[in-house]
Amino acid sequence: SQTIHQWPATLVQPVGSPLSLECTVEGTSNPNLYWYRQAAGRGLQLLFYSVGIGQISSEVPQNLSASRPQDRQFILSSKKLLLSDSGFYLCAWSPSGSSEAKNIQYFGAGTRLSVL
Amino acid sequence: AQTVTQSQPEMSVQEAETVTLSCTYDTSESDYYLFWYKQPPSRQMILVIRQEAYKQQNATENRFSVNFQKAAKSFSLKISDSQLGDAAMYFCAYRSPNTGNQFYFGTGTSLTVIP
Repeated sequence: SQTIHQWPATLVQPVGSPLSLECTVEGTSNPNLYWYRQAAGRGLQLLFYSVGIGQISSEVPQNLSASRPQDRQFILSSKKLLLSDSGFYLCAWSPSGSSEAKNIQYFGAGTRLSVL
Repeated sequence: AQTVTQSQPEMSVQEAETVTLSCTYDTSESDYYLFWYKQPPSRQMILVIRQEAYKQQNATENRFSVNFQKAAKSFSLKISDSQLGDAAMYFCAYRSPNTGNQFYFGTGTSLTVIP
């Protein structure tokens, strides 16, 4: 069966420090991968999605970036964190291909980031 | 871009009663997919139910059912026999086969179950 791992679960970082959040998927190949941010009391904002290695689409211009160095690995990064980067970050995957299964997203457990 | 609107930031229901959460969406497409996700206090997102737009029959999953009104672009979630474990944030989501691999989420409805 497929599983998605996201870490760390919580992170407290000072303003101006770098960030690296990692997400890996097991049990499938060539998944579509997503990073979302959920600010307190708000919905999910899509940050990045990827349909393959090295292919990243950005939805919101900001000081965050994403990379996909391996098929099932998706990394969210920042060179210098801002206070406004605080929030709950969720990684998700969906199957690729033409089957109906691609229409479902599966989420990781999330990372709670506090920038102080 | 497609938009998904959940007009009820908070809802409450008595245990064992029925509650309906509302969702509307804006699209010009005829073929798409709709979802309800549940996010309990653990923050883990869980798929509750999904509906394909080409299917006229409303989806059901045990105590969860939807009222899909395609012409009205409405997709409400009905929870029957509410249980304490149903307390969570519920998100409505839309996916189009024609806009790459993007999913669009509403802002969520926080459901409280009163014992």
